[in-house]
Amino acid sequence: EAGVAQSPRYKIIEKRQSVAFWCNPISGHATLYWYQQILGQGPKLLIQFQNNGVVDDSQLPKDRFSAERLKGVDSTLKIQPAKLEDSAVYLCASSPQPASGANVLTFGAGSRLTVL
Amino acid sequence: AQKITQTQPGMFVQEKEAVTLDCTYDTSDQSYGLFWYKQPSSGEMIFLIYQGSYDEQNATEGRYSLNFQKARKSANLVISASQLGDSAMYFCAMREADSGGYQKVTFGTGTKLQVIP
Repeated sequence: EAGVAQSPRYKIIEKRQSVAFWCNPISGHATLYWYQQILGQGPKLLIQFQNNGVVDDSQLPKDRFSAERLKGVDSTLKIQPAKLEDSAVYLCASSPQPASGANVLTFGAGSRLTVL
Repeated sequence: AQKITQTQPGMFVQEKEAVTLDCTYDTSDQSYGLFWYKQPSSGEMIFLIYQGSYDEQNATEGRYSLNFQKARKSANLVISASQLGDSAMYFCAMREADSGGYQKVTFGTGTKLQVIP
């Protein structure tokens, strides 16, 4: 089966500019996650979708970050305006639902953002 | 309190030796799952092994085994016969249900393993 697709792989922007990342999960996976991984740290959950509904966005900086998952398939994460501290790798992952047992998260290759 | 604690920022191991990467977790749930992921320098997160809280046997996958001590809330990863390709960051993660019943996965800060020829 095809894996989780993410684009772009790399993006360099100036602070206060905007950026958008796209993710296409594994076909049939109901749950989609966006994680932020700052260099040297573990992934931090930004937002979790169940089909096209949000089930957790408690750590999403909503004043600048937004995400949507239309039709319960692919998803877009947007940052506007970007800050220096947003420099990170944005990882998209998906899992089957229910996420129980050994249903693991499958990750995409990530989108590396550098804010200058 | 941290949900997942990995106390070893970095580890070295000689090629062909075994190494243990530590992970402790904090949860009040009875049903939860523990995972280990590998992240090479290329950046992709690769699933290694899973242990369910009700599993009585320690999980094994090839050269990977998970030393699960439920009472101590630890889930250490053991890599046997280390290879140069095992050099990477290793993350411990836990899946548990939130107040709404949805499964959430939380990651630790990781351990950087370097295998020495």
